[in-house]
Amino acid sequence: QVQLQESGPGLVKPSQTLSLTCTVSGGSISSGVYYWSWIRQHPGKGLEWIGYIYYSGSTYYNPSLKSRVTISVDTSKNQFSLNLSSVTAADTAVYYCASYGDSTLDYWGQGTLVTVSS
Amino acid sequence: EIVLTQSPGTLSLSPGERATLSCRASQSVSSNYLGWYQQKPGQAPRLLIYGASSRATGIPDRFSGSGSGTDFTLTISRLEPEDFAVYYCQQYGSSPITFGQGTRLEIK
Repeated sequence: QVQLQESGPGLVKPSQTLSLTCTVSGGSISSGVYYWSWIRQHPGKGLEWIGYIYYSGSTYYNPSLKSRVTISVDTSKNQFSLNLSSVTAADTAVYYCASYGDSTLDYWGQGTLVTVSS
Repeated sequence: EIVLTQSPGTLSLSPGERATLSCRASQSVSSNYLGWYQQKPGQAPRLLIYGASSRATGIPDRFSGSGSGTDFTLTISRLEPEDFAVYYCQQYGSSPITFGQGTRLEIK
């Protein structure tokens, strides 16, 4: 069974870049079975899909965030990463990584809270 | 993008009762690519249903999904204490992937 674990700073200053990494275990990120996704949840609110990447490097981003988002993959480390630039307080959220396949978002990390504050 | 509207916002029921949650899409969901998730406080969402009606691995058969086009339903046949949580629908037939705003299922 695939397991995912997010890691990265819990506090980011306004205007800086939020950077998170998701480590995949229990399966190869290069298997081709999944697209590897990022989703976020503002405190007490609903879910917002950020984007996904395939092991080959092809990406798709939510148009609402596209100008600030970069998702990359490191197959040698079985990891994929999220960079979100020019953050504001509105980017404070719990960030989840997840696997996206034929049965949609079936495996999720536990989530990591990122707070944007000076 | 497809907007998903869930109703009711909050549903108050007792254990043993039947729960019916609705999800309406602003346009037809391609290939009925509609999922349902359960989320408990401090936890990640858990996939319950995909493809509108297929149960995910390990999900009890008291959970069932139905619907097509723009109207979808999640039914919990007999509520167990552990079923009280927030439920989200999600469409993945069109990009971007979108989620409903959630239905809170609380103990009456």
